[in-house]
Amino acid sequence: SQELEQSPQSLIVQEGKNLTINCTSSKTLYGLYWYKQKYGEGLIFLMMLQKGGEEKSHEKITAKLDEKKQQSSLHITASQPSHAGIYLCGAGAGGSQGNLIFGKGTKLSVKP
Amino acid sequence: DTGVSQDPRHKITKRGQNVTFRCDPISEHNRLYWYRQTLGQGPEFLTYFQNEAQLEKSRLLSDRFSAERPKGSFSTLEIQRTEQGDSAMYLCASSLRARTAGNYNEQFFGPGTRLTVL
Repeated sequence: SQELEQSPQSLIVQEGKNLTINCTSSKTLYGLYWYKQKYGEGLIFLMMLQKGGEEKSHEKITAKLDEKKQQSSLHITASQPSHAGIYLCGAGAGGSQGNLIFGKGTKLSVKP
Repeated sequence: DTGVSQDPRHKITKRGQNVTFRCDPISEHNRLYWYRQTLGQGPEFLTYFQNEAQLEKSRLLSDRFSAERPKGSFSTLEIQRTEQGDSAMYLCASSLRARTAGNYNEQFFGPGTRLTVL
């Protein structure tokens, strides 16, 4: 079965610094999702990537899906305390049902 | 607010009791998903509906769990004879069905229902 591995598991950065979170799949990715979660709350949709080589940006967050569609990265530029939270990557489980499998998440802390 | 809503947000129950959670998806979304998330883990898929039909169940969904989506609108997830291992965050998500097989649409999540079984 497909598994998603996220790295690092946790990250502490100084405000204003850039950072990258990686998501690696054991199989080809179909529909790669990035979500942000605050502790004890639901998931906030950030971006979805489907095509190899695709790159999307929203405000200071950029996500890429590599050409082979087995790895994605999430890059935050000039981090702010509001970026703190848990970042989760999710991927289509295959087939037509559309349910997602998720990595364990990367916990990001931003020190002011 | 036109996002996904869930009720209640928190539920504390004693072992052996039954509990029911409700999810109201985004109104035009025909797909609805239930996931379970435990501390330090990503969400795990439980079941999904396309309109009113329940099309897939995970093996995580034991016989004590049942889900419905009457009329293809809101959905309920019931857990009978709760156990301490059922303590988790239960998340609901909705999406539109992708037009092309193998493609996906964005899934939008609700705030979750946190269940604590004492």
